[in-house]
Amino acid sequence: NAGVTQTPKFQVLKTGQSMTLQCAQDMNHNSMYWYRQDPGMGLRLIYYSASEGTTDKGEVPNGYNVSRLNKREFSLRLESAAPSQTSVYFCASNLAGGRETQYFGPGTRLLVL
Amino acid sequence: QKEVEQDPGPLSVPEGAIVSLNCTYSNSAFQYFMWYRQYSRKGPELLMYTYSSGNKEDGRFTAQVDKSSKYISLFIRDSQPSDSATYLCAMMGGNEKLTFGTGTRLTIIP
Repeated sequence: NAGVTQTPKFQVLKTGQSMTLQCAQDMNHNSMYWYRQDPGMGLRLIYYSASEGTTDKGEVPNGYNVSRLNKREFSLRLESAAPSQTSVYFCASNLAGGRETQYFGPGTRLLVL
Repeated sequence: QKEVEQDPGPLSVPEGAIVSLNCTYSNSAFQYFMWYRQYSRKGPELLMYTYSSGNKEDGRFTAQVDKSSKYISLFIRDSQPSDSATYLCAMMGGNEKLTFGTGTRLTIIP
């Protein structure tokens, strides 16, 4: 089992460019999450998907869109990247949302110039 | 004011020492308390998970929750160089969303 995988590992964008961060899990989990991690801010929830076909906003959704492509995959899209979106992005999943343990991917480091 | 406060460190201790990591919080709705360990350039992994007040022990790790003081702790006994990592506290209330501390960077010196 690979667990939660994320691509790419690292990306540099120019302001205004778009990109999609990919996440996949092979644990048959129903719920998936996108977080960003910034120095001095901790991990903050961007969007989550409680189950296939549903998505909801988290604490910091502005500037992002998500797609729950199927049960395994949950992508995060930046339509017009800004320097404030420079961060490390983590995808996580758990079996049934709520209080279940979340399992994290290795992260994508994004630099927006 | 942040809902969860955690001293970012860094904290350096000699191998074999007892390590104490702490978080305070302000939201009295938090009932589930977790500690995650994050190695450099890796994702967080769950270390301890406790509900409400009390202690929970797992090997060299002990998690303590004091809801009356809104204070949680993680103790690491007989610390090892492999314990060098960033430790994140996380909490959850009725909305079932995790709120994380900023993390404490710990180095165990051989």
